[in-house]
Amino acid sequence: DAKTTQPTSMDCAEGRAANLPCNHSTISGNEYVYWYRQIHSQGPQYIIHGLKNNETNEMASLIITEDRKSSTLILPHATLRDTAVYYCISAGFQKLVFGTGTRLLVSP
Amino acid sequence: SAVISQKPSRDICQRGTSLTIQCQVDSQVTMMFWYRQQPGQSLTLIATANQGSEATYESGFVIDKFPISRPNLTFSTLTVSNMSPEDSSIYLCSVEDPKGGMEQFFGPGTRLTVL
Repeated sequence: DAKTTQPTSMDCAEGRAANLPCNHSTISGNEYVYWYRQIHSQGPQYIIHGLKNNETNEMASLIITEDRKSSTLILPHATLRDTAVYYCISAGFQKLVFGTGTRLLVSP
Repeated sequence: SAVISQKPSRDICQRGTSLTIQCQVDSQVTMMFWYRQQPGQSLTLIATANQGSEATYESGFVIDKFPISRPNLTFSTLTVSNMSPEDSSIYLCSVEDPKGGMEQFFGPGTRLTVL
């Protein structure tokens, strides 16, 4: 079973920041937090991952709480093409267990 | 990154038959993975296929139903055997990052419908 909980759906206005929360209260010390997204009819796409520290790349930022029990994925300027299901996964190396994810709808 | 292709992209099959899905990656990788995504559901890991060893299956999946081959470092096949309508799903392969990073790269999936 997935070890993370996420809101089922979220809405965001185009151009605004999208903040997607995730709870992973049972995460182990050696497990990472991964974020993937799946745009309709495509395979999942890696976004970002982190262990303890906050991370940023060209797609998004990942904020992990100090106790590592939750995190937030931030898309700084959401576009219509960011409409997708976003999966938060806590896992060791390569063993990904997908939960139900958050369906993000970005609207004009 | 890695570029992954799958064949076929979709198929419609009759109950009781078998279908072999191919996964080709443009780089050599040790670890390849097969997932199933049932209609409206999330992804479920079927098995991990490492070159040179038997595939490792997750709970609820067995080799007789989903035999996997991994003949070299760029190719794998998944067979869905003795199909029933409950096997109608999207089947996806993924690979580890060829450069040793943490991310997995996914193929476009094979959409299977069993009548």
